[in-house]
Amino acid sequence: DGGITQSPKYLFRKEGQNVTLSCEQNLNHDAMYWYRQDPGQGLRLIYYSQIVNDFQKGDIAEGYSVSREKKESFPLTVTSAQKNPTAFYLCASRSRGSNTGELFFGEGSRLTVL
Amino acid sequence: RKEVEQDPGPFNVPEGATVAFNCTYSNSASQSFFWYRQDCRKEPKLLMSVYSSGNEDGRFTAQLNRASQYISLLIRDSKLSDSATYLCVVNMVGGSSGSARQLTFGSGTQLTVLP
Repeated sequence: DGGITQSPKYLFRKEGQNVTLSCEQNLNHDAMYWYRQDPGQGLRLIYYSQIVNDFQKGDIAEGYSVSREKKESFPLTVTSAQKNPTAFYLCASRSRGSNTGELFFGEGSRLTVL
Repeated sequence: RKEVEQDPGPFNVPEGATVAFNCTYSNSASQSFFWYRQDCRKEPKLLMSVYSSGNEDGRFTAQLNRASQYISLLIRDSKLSDSATYLCVVNMVGGSSGSARQLTFGSGTQLTVLP
């Protein structure tokens, strides 16, 4: 079955540690996105990539980094520079030619900093 | 003013009730509009796109009012399974670009359907 897989689903880290969240899709989508969701808030765009080896900052990129070495994969690293990293992280993808606006989301990764 | 604004709720309604949500947007150049559904601690999923002429999908009806810059979602004959958070999503430019860069999410309206 086609879809997006995020891992891990739950992650705990100590302050000062970097952590990498995995996102893999087999939908053959060109575009991939990382969002952050905090309680009672909408999704905020961290980074996005429309093609392999290229990515752009979203609205809240500070303290995060990404890579897009393969079409299927778009990992997100939450660095120690991110001041408030505890959140629900959602990866999404979309067909580049899509005109429906539909984003396909992974199940999310819930990061808690202790 | 937020770019996309929704009443956070919660809306608590009995089974079988009709409930309506509104969402206002600030950018008059916005081109396309969507409603997503998000269950508790799960990922959002597209519920329906919103077209200028209004559209219906079973018990769900979406409307767009460009003059007043709002979209609405009407749910008829509410079911327990409709309990979720409903996210309003606005694309600030033409949606065919393939980029979600301009997609702005509202903070969501929480609905609880009570037995």
